[in-house]
Amino acid sequence: DAMVIQNPRYQVTQFGKPVTLSCSQTLNHNVMYWYQQKSSQAPKLLFHYYDKDFNNEADTPDNFQSRRPNTSFCFLDIRSPGLGDAAMYLCATSREYTGYEQYFGPGTRLTVT
Amino acid sequence: QKEVEQNSGPLSVPEGAIASLNCTYSDRGSQSFFWYRQYSGKSPELIMFIYSNGDKEDGRFTAQLNKASQYVSLLIRDSQPSDSATYLCAVNLYSSASKIIFGSGTRLSIRP
Repeated sequence: DAMVIQNPRYQVTQFGKPVTLSCSQTLNHNVMYWYQQKSSQAPKLLFHYYDKDFNNEADTPDNFQSRRPNTSFCFLDIRSPGLGDAAMYLCATSREYTGYEQYFGPGTRLTVT
Repeated sequence: QKEVEQNSGPLSVPEGAIASLNCTYSDRGSQSFFWYRQYSGKSPELIMFIYSNGDKEDGRFTAQLNKASQYVSLLIRDSQPSDSATYLCAVNLYSSASKIIFGSGTRLSIRP
């Protein structure tokens, strides 16, 4: 089935130890998004891509980076995770920016020890 | 004023009744509106989208849009315990066309 896949589903890292989260999609959508969601809060947009055109939200910390090597894959790198970065990280895709719904992957739950 | 506002709840509704969830948005030119359901610890799941004024029905769900009042709602008929979740309203704002803005969600609890 066409879908959005995230790996790993659960990630435990140590304070300051770099971590990479991955997302892949079989929907062939142009747009990919990364969100951070903490308990009882709305998803917070970190980055989005239209194809390889990268867009960084103004309040996304420099500690967060992203790569999209091809249409299907997108990565979120956290260079030096802090305790405040523990959250659910959600990848979503959309056919276009406007007029189309976003489809979410299952998320990666990040724990920082 | 927040761009997309929802009552955080919890909203408690008896099983079998109609649950009514409301959302207001700030940008009058917005065109696309979405409702997502999110179970605890899971990712958001799209349940409805609406682009035109009026009602859109899909099974037990009805989305209602009133652009003049900048208001979108979701009705759930014959509420079931499995409907207990957080419902996120999301809007493709005219001013931020490249993304959708989420409300903080309304927590719905269906009591048997």
